[in-house]
Amino acid sequence: GAVVSQHPSRVICKSGTSVKIECRSLDFQATTMFWYRQFPKKSLMLMATSNEGSKATYEQGVEKDKFLINHASLTLSTLTVTSAHPEDSSFYICSARGASGSAGPQETQYFGPGTRLLVL
Amino acid sequence: GQNIDQPTEMTATEGAIVQINCTYQTSGFNGLFWYQQHAGEAPTFLSYNVLDGLEEKGRFSSFLSRSKGYSYLLLKELQMKDSASYLCGPMDSNYQLIWGAGTKLIIKP
Repeated sequence: GAVVSQHPSRVICKSGTSVKIECRSLDFQATTMFWYRQFPKKSLMLMATSNEGSKATYEQGVEKDKFLINHASLTLSTLTVTSAHPEDSSFYICSARGASGSAGPQETQYFGPGTRLLVL
Repeated sequence: GQNIDQPTEMTATEGAIVQINCTYQTSGFNGLFWYQQHAGEAPTFLSYNVLDGLEEKGRFSSFLSRSKGYSYLLLKELQMKDSASYLCGPMDSNYQLIWGAGTKLIIKP
C-alpha cells in the first residue's frame, strides 16, 4: 500500500516551453501533497505544499507564477513549470501524505519516483 | 531556527554494523522519520519514532531521545544494496518534515 506514481519520469524540453508533471496516489487518498526539487548530492528542497481543493502554499523564494500547482483531487496533483529555462533543470519529486493503515503513521510522506527535467 | 545535523558520509564493510547519528533542533516536535534514498531515486520510508527508545524493524533499528534532540539509525548485517543516502527528518509543530542533507553510506566488500 501507499504507492505514489509520477509522470513523466524524464523529460527534455526547449527553453521557453512549459512542462507538466503529474503526481498520483494510487491506493490511498492524499490529503496533502508536496513538491520538492533536488540538485545532485544536495538535500530535498521543499517547493510547495498543497491540499486538495485549496491553493498551494509556496516556500520562500519559489515563484508561484512559474511553478503552478493544481491539486484537483485527493489522488492527483500537478506541477507545471512555465516558460522553462536551463536553470530549472533538476530532479522534481512529489510526495503524498494521508495513507492510514500503511507501514508508517498517517503523517508519513510517500514519494513518487521523481521526474528528471532537462531544459535545453 | 530549525537545524538538522548528520554526518555527510560514512563507510562500512559488508556484514558489519553501522550507526548513523542525527541531532536536530525544531520548532516543536511531532516525531522523526528516517528515509533511504538510492542515487537517482526518490526517498523511501524506513522508520518513524515519536516516543523515546528503540524501534526495531528487521536489520534496521531507529532510536530517539527527545530530551537530547538526538536520533540514530542502526543498520546490521550490512549488504551492498544498503549503499545509499539516509535522510533524517524530524517533524515540527506544523507537521512539516524538516530535511537534513542526508548521510551517504558507502558499503565496501
